[in-house]
Amino acid sequence: ETGVTQTPRHLVMGMTNKKSLKCEQHLGHNAMYWYKQSAKKPLELMFVYSLEERVENNSVPSRFSPECPNSSHLFLHLHTLQPEDSALYLCASSLTNNEQFFGPGTRLTVL
Amino acid sequence: AQKITQTQPGMFVQEKEAVTLDCTYDTSDPSYGLFWYKQPSSGEMIFLIYQGSYDQQNATEGRYSLNFQKARKSANLVISASQLGDSAMYFCAMRLNYGGSQGNLIFGKGTKLSVKP
Repeated sequence: ETGVTQTPRHLVMGMTNKKSLKCEQHLGHNAMYWYKQSAKKPLELMFVYSLEERVENNSVPSRFSPECPNSSHLFLHLHTLQPEDSALYLCASSLTNNEQFFGPGTRLTVL
Repeated sequence: AQKITQTQPGMFVQEKEAVTLDCTYDTSDPSYGLFWYKQPSSGEMIFLIYQGSYDQQNATEGRYSLNFQKARKSANLVISASQLGDSAMYFCAMRLNYGGSQGNLIFGKGTKLSVKP
């Protein structure tokens, strides 16, 4: 298996649920990213991990909690989300300061 | 503030013809990189082409070329000989090479390209 993979591809959850998104890369990259893509808005960078340390947190609400246990895996833990959090969540990885490679995304719907 | 502007929400092109997708950027930093990504309906962002701010020549990758005009701060994507499979959203992005947001990408709103048979 190569590239950047994300699971699940689709997720429907209620506002009181707790769920996690998973991202995995097998490219030997040392940086990983979470983006949110809402309808009619540019991609918004949420979190950046470089060498497994969080280096960027763009004022994301605390109901989103990232975790990077190693350089190949990245999680986004979701808790008490709002309907406006419904979006496509994209994971990407890169070698520092090189082009980012994206996964297929998780399409999240919050009811 | 750094910003990417894509003024064309949607574009149509006839199969086998060339098309130019516009992108302008705003930054005061001297060192940056410009990227184009393609996003089919499946959702995955596919890297197409890269241009560094100090590169003397325009980048080319197969049917993709980047028309880089530094003084105008534009980085238009040219797709030659359009194919039906080129129908997708296209995003222009900029990466700064210095400062606290080093390495992070700033995206435009995208252009939806539709190729007509």
